[in-house]
Amino acid sequence: EVQLVQSGAEVKKPGESLKISCKDSGNSFPSYWIGWVRQMPGKGLEWMGSIYPGDSDTRYSPSFQGQVTISADKFISTVYLQWRSLKASDTAMYYCARGPSGYDGSGYWSIKGMDVWGQGTTVTVSS
Amino acid sequence: EIVLTQSPGTLSLSPGERATLSCRASQSVSSNSLAWYQQKPGQAPRLLIYGASSRATGIPDRFSGSGSGTDFTLTISRLEPEDFAVYYCQQYGSSPYTFGQGTKLEIK
Repeated sequence: EVQLVQSGAEVKKPGESLKISCKDSGNSFPSYWIGWVRQMPGKGLEWMGSIYPGDSDTRYSPSFQGQVTISADKFISTVYLQWRSLKASDTAMYYCARGPSGYDGSGYWSIKGMDVWGQGTTVTVSS
Repeated sequence: EIVLTQSPGTLSLSPGERATLSCRASQSVSSNSLAWYQQKPGQAPRLLIYGASSRATGIPDRFSGSGSGTDFTLTISRLEPEDFAVYYCQQYGSSPYTFGQGTKLEIK
């Protein structure tokens, strides 16, 4: 069973850096895209970007391009989301999710939306 | 960037009733790459429908998706108490993979 396990809650000050993680405990890594989704308090879902760990191909939403960095370490089945200088407006819940596409267990290219989600990482940025 | 507009913003219904949620795209969604997600308070979203009309693994058949091009619909045939939640559509046909703003389904 595929599971994405995210790192724990973070409390940071404005200007600090941060890297949160998402570990794939199943066997889909590195052959599936993994994305990051932001949810600000009381708000909706925003797709930030995705990475294909097999070759580190990365796509960003224009809203987040240059604000965050998505990376992967395929040897430990982990994807990261990183900030160089946090702002109070980065306070949110961040989810990683598998998809929307990748090679399934039978070796076929599957396109099924974001079908497995991590439990979320709360990031609080406050002075 | 494709903008998804969901309607209504809030839908008030009773258990046993039928729910119809709409998602309209600002331009045609490639290959009907449209998904629906359910999110309950304090939980991560859950995939319900992908490819506009295919149910994800383990999703009850009271959930169905339809539509193509720019207009998509999620239908819940007979509402169960556990169905009251927020529902989001997402297009993943072209990057950025945008979400709609959500429809809150509340108990009347």
